[in-house]
This record gives sequence, C-alpha cells and structure tokens, in this order.
Amino acid sequence: RKEVEQDPGPFNVPEGATVAFNCTYSNSASQSFFWYRQDCRKEPKLLMSVYSSGNEDGRFTAQLNRASQYISLLIRDSKLSDSATYLCVVNMGNNFNKFYFGSGTKLNVKP
Amino acid sequence: NAGVTQTPKFQVLKTGQSMTLQCAQDMNHNSMYWYRQDPGMGLRLIYYSASEGTTDKGEVPNGYNVSRLNKREFSLRLESAAPSQTSVYFCASWDSLSYGYTFGSGTRLTVV
Repeated sequence: RKEVEQDPGPFNVPEGATVAFNCTYSNSASQSFFWYRQDCRKEPKLLMSVYSSGNEDGRFTAQLNRASQYISLLIRDSKLSDSATYLCVVNMGNNFNKFYFGSGTKLNVKP
Repeated sequence: NAGVTQTPKFQVLKTGQSMTLQCAQDMNHNSMYWYRQDPGMGLRLIYYSASEGTTDKGEVPNGYNVSRLNKREFSLRLESAAPSQTSVYFCASWDSLSYGYTFGSGTRLTVV
C-alpha cells in the first residue's frame, strides 16, 4: 500500500465548475498535510497547508479528516489557470523532516 | 531572485558514468532535500539534510551519495549511473516560517 494515494484523474471540468480531490494517507501518526500544485514540466509549488479545523484561501478550501485518514481540496469557480496537477503531501509519521508525496491528481479546466 | 538553484537543467549520461547535481539556496534554510520524480509516481525522497553537517537517507537512497557542503549547498552524486536512474531530480529547501518546501526547477537526467 502506498503511503499517500490520490486519484490520478484527469478531472476535466468546465470553467466555473466546482471540483474536489481527495487524498488518503496510511500513517495515523502523520501531523502535517499540504497541497502542492505542479504545472507541466515545472517544479511543485506550495498551494496551501491543511489544518485540523479546515482552511480556506480564496477559491480553495482544504479539509482534514483524521478519523478516515484523508485530506481534501475543493476548488470553486474553476479558472483555466487552475489546470495543473495537484499533489498531496503528508509528513512521515512523527518525522517532521520527511514527507511523502502523492502521485498527483491532474485537473483540466476547459473553456 | 531568492530561491533554490539547480544545475544542470538537462543531462544525458552513459551507463556507468558519474556526475554530480548541484543545488544552492540563498534563503538561509536549515533543511535541504533531494527528490526524484518518475511518471505516474509521486516525488520520492532520496536524501535529506536537516542541518549543515548532517545527512540522512530517504526512501530511495541506493546508487546515490550526497554532500552538505555548507548551509547553502547540497549536492547529489551518482557514482555509476544506471538506466533506472533516468528521472527528473528536484532539490528543495524547507522554510520553517511558511512551513513549506521551495523547489529548484529540476534536472532532467537520462541514462542511456
């Protein structure tokens, strides 16, 4: 079993749509969670951290469900520029120096 | 611009050749990392350095060595390249203030 699993997609949505991705993690001791965005042939960039109480940044909302060991990312009012691969990142149990990356979920926003 | 600089951006090696990937950051971060990214897989940690003078193995360290030369620089060496090491390599540093990675732009390595 992979430490972090994501649906690879692609998710093909029209502009203005709302889309949600989930990511499951295997280590119940994990404490730190993030979403990164990676454009084609580029480096990953931090999109947002995921806090226990959930957090929002503009059109993006991240949620954590510890009981079921998953995190989610909701994107509202999708823009063409949101087209990218979204990577879920989770720290390795109690080690805050090491993180597992999911293989990513690809999002295509169409006009 | 402040950030993480990796060199080279592209490299083709023959099986058995050696090379060193260079990485430098100018953000005064303590922790630095080397990842590899293969199609359909997430980034996998090769080695990391939590602070100057220390290095530790990640998930996939075999075939690689690292050197944390000083606080700014963290290099990755392939002693005898193999086709299985064909990948995109990313260096990153960890920002304790934003609590996130800053990645370099990557090195696309092909071993033939």
